[in-house]
Amino acid sequence: DVVLTQTPPTLSATIGQSVSISCRSSQSLLDSDGDTYLNWLLQRPGQSPQLLIYSVSNLESGVPNRFSGSGSETDFTLKISGVEAEDLGVYYCMQATHAPLTFGSGTKLEIK
Amino acid sequence: QVKLQQSGAELVKPGASVKLSCKTSGYTFSTSYMSWFKQIPGQSIEWIGMIYAGDGGTGYNQKFKGKATLTVDTSSSTAYMDLSSLTTEDSAVYFCAIATYYYAYWGQGVMVTVSS
Repeated sequence: DVVLTQTPPTLSATIGQSVSISCRSSQSLLDSDGDTYLNWLLQRPGQSPQLLIYSVSNLESGVPNRFSGSGSETDFTLKISGVEAEDLGVYYCMQATHAPLTFGSGTKLEIK
Repeated sequence: QVKLQQSGAELVKPGASVKLSCKTSGYTFSTSYMSWFKQIPGQSIEWIGMIYAGDGGTGYNQKFKGKATLTVDTSSSTAYMDLSSLTTEDSAVYFCAIATYYYAYWGQGVMVTVSS
């Protein structure tokens, strides 16, 4: 199975601060169809996961543009440019290139 | 709009089985795929498996083979997951989600507690 290693496990940020989360894969996530199925999701407390970014860098409809994704092959980053209070929760990277689908261990974002 | 409504919380005894439902609306269920996930509170998310509503074809995470059985009822646009021979390790929140490469639509989750 593909292992996704997320760092850091926790982040503490002030409102307006920019933060980044890393996700490293044990295998390349470049699919034979040319796409890279690495997604970022946010799970707010007590809620189901919400898709933020799909295929590395595509912003899901309705998601604020302070969220951005980058990377390729095995190394990926989610950046929040100007954290807001509603951004608290656990961020997961998830890969859908290889079966079984797998998730990172999560990064908990706390607001100072 | 797309909606996935999961059944209510379950308290079940060890060794028993439970059937969870995920009723959908707002899209064409009969030509779509549905995935199920497990999340133990405070932990990450695991993919259990996927079913194609068109023909009932399934694919499972090897870890959950024999534990989970996925089915659909296209007449009611509902997906089901049976969990069998439950142990305390099966206590978790279970989510359904429309299976594309992107997983934009999720159910609200259902807590299953296995306890005597």
